[in-house]
Amino acid sequence: GQNIDQPTEMTATEGAIVQINCTYQTSGFNGLFWYQQHAGEAPTFLSYNVLDGLEEKGRFSSFLSRSKGYSYLLLKELQMKDSASYLCAVRDREAGTALIFGKGTTLSVSS
Amino acid sequence: GAVVSQHPSRVICKSGTSVKIECRSLDFQATTMFWYRQFPKQSLMLMATSNEGSKATYEQGVEKDKFLINHASLTLSTLTVTSAHPEDSSFYICSALPSGNYEQYFGPGTRLTVT
Repeated sequence: GQNIDQPTEMTATEGAIVQINCTYQTSGFNGLFWYQQHAGEAPTFLSYNVLDGLEEKGRFSSFLSRSKGYSYLLLKELQMKDSASYLCAVRDREAGTALIFGKGTTLSVSS
Repeated sequence: GAVVSQHPSRVICKSGTSVKIECRSLDFQATTMFWYRQFPKQSLMLMATSNEGSKATYEQGVEKDKFLINHASLTLSTLTVTSAHPEDSSFYICSALPSGNYEQYFGPGTRLTVT
């Protein structure tokens, strides 16, 4: 089976940097995804890591360490619109191409 | 980018009736589509994996006779909630995976309320 853990809630202020951690346990790791979800809307893709290291895309970066079963999403220059839930999802070979989602981290950005 | 639509976006039905939700990939073909359910303030729970032309694979605890999935073409999958009960009220989201791609594209979701 799979187990994915991430903090439930985080708060930060505009302009700051925030790091959202995700730890996972899976027998056949085959990729980790980060999604952003605003309330009542579908998730939108942020990043994909399958090899160790850092992937940077604008204000967002994602890091993966497969040996530690650990990933983080780094958000820079926070804006109010970044207030949302951030979902860590893992693809496992046992599950084929399906994604298994963590419970999500609700980020609140204040001015 | 790839677009996935869902219809309807919101539906209210009476207990005991059935509701069909459509998921379409508008500008790409998807051999695989996924159905998720999301309760308030919770994460997405995978219900089933739908492969075009074959039977869906259901996750443990999901009743296949209650949640009927049909993936009749490379651009359309349907989820039918049969004999709906109030506890089936939830946000249902589909996603589609283009062939050879790693990124799933999500539909906008369907809010189901069973009264």
